[in-house]
Amino acid sequence: EPEVTQTPSHQVTQMGQEVILRCVPISNHLYFYWYRQILGQKVEFLVSFYNNEISEKSEIFDDQFSVERPDGSNFTLKIRSTKLEDSAMYFCASSRPSGESYNEQFFGPGTRLTVL
Amino acid sequence: AQSVAQPEDQVNVAEGNPLTVKCTYSVSGNPYLFWYVQYPNRGLQFLLKYITGDNLVKGSYGFEAEFNKSQTSFHLKKPSALVSDSALYFCAVRDIGGGSWGKLQFGAGTQVVVTP
Repeated sequence: EPEVTQTPSHQVTQMGQEVILRCVPISNHLYFYWYRQILGQKVEFLVSFYNNEISEKSEIFDDQFSVERPDGSNFTLKIRSTKLEDSAMYFCASSRPSGESYNEQFFGPGTRLTVL
Repeated sequence: AQSVAQPEDQVNVAEGNPLTVKCTYSVSGNPYLFWYVQYPNRGLQFLLKYITGDNLVKGSYGFEAEFNKSQTSFHLKKPSALVSDSALYFCAVRDIGGGSWGKLQFGAGTQVVVTP
């Protein structure tokens, strides 16, 4: 069964450094998402991406964040200058294309980001 | 604005007994409702969804959920719990009337502990 994969599983970085989190969505999916979960808190929506552009973003997704689909398989989340409060588990998700808008999202295993 | 509440941080149940995990929601329009399960060190796995139609929805691993519009609830149920059902369960809602582009709003999660 196809799965969403994410790398690395754990990323440790110094405050102020740039990080790139990588995701490979399921191959025939066209809608992509990033969520994050700060330890002990809810899973929060960050951004959705379709047709090579952001379709929706939350207030969390400020100018420090960017997303990109550099090729036909990868979907990346970049944080330009990490802050301590960016420490969280970051989940990538994708959903399949169709005329309906209610397809379930398939999630990757997550990348745990630790900012020191 | 859309929101989801899971009133119980943890549910304890003996193996073989019925399991219920509660969820209530608030949306401005009609909801799409989802249940996900998370095992340790794994991503969120889709269990089931309610879009329209029959209020009782059947999903993976013997789980089902009942949509109750008047009570704005979408409780997850399993007639006979297994030890392997021990995991973290998330309810999520998408507001189809809010112009959202697939953004899921998650509840805080309920830890299910099934004892032998």
